[in-house]
Amino acid sequence: GQQLNQSPQSMFIQEGEDVSMNCTSSSIFNTWLWYKQDPGEGPVLLIALYKAGELTSNGRLTAQFGITRKDSFLNISASIPSDVGIYFCAGQGGATNKLIFGTGTLLAVQP
Amino acid sequence: GAGVSQTPSNKVTEKGKYVELRCDPISGHTALYWYRQSLGQGPEFLIYFQGTGAADDSGLPNDRFFAVRPEGSVSTLKIQRTERGDSAVYLCASSLRSGGAFNEQFFGPGTRLTVL
Repeated sequence: GQQLNQSPQSMFIQEGEDVSMNCTSSSIFNTWLWYKQDPGEGPVLLIALYKAGELTSNGRLTAQFGITRKDSFLNISASIPSDVGIYFCAGQGGATNKLIFGTGTLLAVQP
Repeated sequence: GAGVSQTPSNKVTEKGKYVELRCDPISGHTALYWYRQSLGQGPEFLIYFQGTGAADDSGLPNDRFFAVRPEGSVSTLKIQRTERGDSAVYLCASSLRSGGAFNEQFFGPGTRLTVL
């Protein structure tokens, strides 16, 4: 099935560092979403973006919806150990609002 | 309130067997989605229900896969003649409704299916 291109595949950083990950698609989406998934759990929504060019923050998280509606990035500032997990972007659109997920970015934070 | 629940949490079966995976959505949510997540990948859409009807089953990989939602609440994903390639985590999500304005999908913890 279709998956969005997400990079980097993994990141290993020190606590306190900032991180950035991005996602690209060949298709246009009406909504871009960023999720975090912990082991043994389902994805949990972090940020939703609704308009091209939109920049949204949620605490230490900042995400942007690309102007072309085909890309998005997520930044995490001042990382902490509980940021560890797998981050997924997802595009949403169409009548059913099904989600098309990216391939994921594994984030490891060393205290 | 209770979130989306899925049972069983783990299922081990033998190649060729039939399995059923259950999803209990959040009460009042009319939209229900099934996704499959293979190891190291993002979830992939399988099927979507609005109420009792399957409005979009375009993600089902073949006719061995079938899902029902007879009363518009609980849904069951059914896999016949399981194959080793069916091994994955099967995720269920529900939302208040679909279409129109954004409606957040809330995910359950998934059922990990292993086909030996």
